[in-house]
Amino acid sequence: NAGVTQTPKFRVLKTGQSMTLLCAQDMNHEYMYWYRQDPGMGLRLIHYSVGEGTTAKGEVPDGYNVSRLKKQNFLLGLESAAPSQTSVYFCASSYSDREIQPQHFGDGTRLSIL
Amino acid sequence: KQEVTQIPAALSVPEGENLVLNCSFTDSAIYNLQWFRQDPGKGLTSLLLIQSSQREQTSGRLNASLDKSSGRSTLYIAASQPGDSATYLCAVGGNRLAFGKGNQVVVIP
Repeated sequence: NAGVTQTPKFRVLKTGQSMTLLCAQDMNHEYMYWYRQDPGMGLRLIHYSVGEGTTAKGEVPDGYNVSRLKKQNFLLGLESAAPSQTSVYFCASSYSDREIQPQHFGDGTRLSIL
Repeated sequence: KQEVTQIPAALSVPEGENLVLNCSFTDSAIYNLQWFRQDPGKGLTSLLLIQSSQREQTSGRLNASLDKSSGRSTLYIAASQPGDSATYLCAVGGNRLAFGKGNQVVVIP
């Protein structure tokens, strides 16, 4: 049972570099989410998607872009990484909110920007 | 904007004692409330989900109550075990969840 899989698990970048975080789910969920978790701040929603081909901004979207070309995948991109983007990034997925179901989380990507 | 608060931030209890974790939220017009568990270096695992029309949910030793009028939820863990040591997160909303910062729990053998 894979559930939600995030790659990579760890990454170190230099300021200004770009990268893409991949999230894949095998539960046929409509909704997918990207969060960041920082000490003392809790989890904050970056972007989310309510279906293939759709994306929407969350609480802290600046500096990030997302794409949902396939239902099972949700990509998070950093075009020009900044030290303030050092964080643990979590992807989650859920059924549509026509059915009230919990969000399922991946194990996270630990990203350090030097 | 929904604000979610969890107090205390950290607590330690001896094994066998009942755990009581509190969550408060500012906007009572919630869709549902969820309690999650997070182990160090891991993602979140959903424990209980309470729909806005419900007052409580139970799963094994876990019981969560919801009082929308007062903006509060309580998670009870009966007869705590060392394996219950983790951070417990409360979240409210629908597809867009607002999270508290968590209760870090240590159960002492």
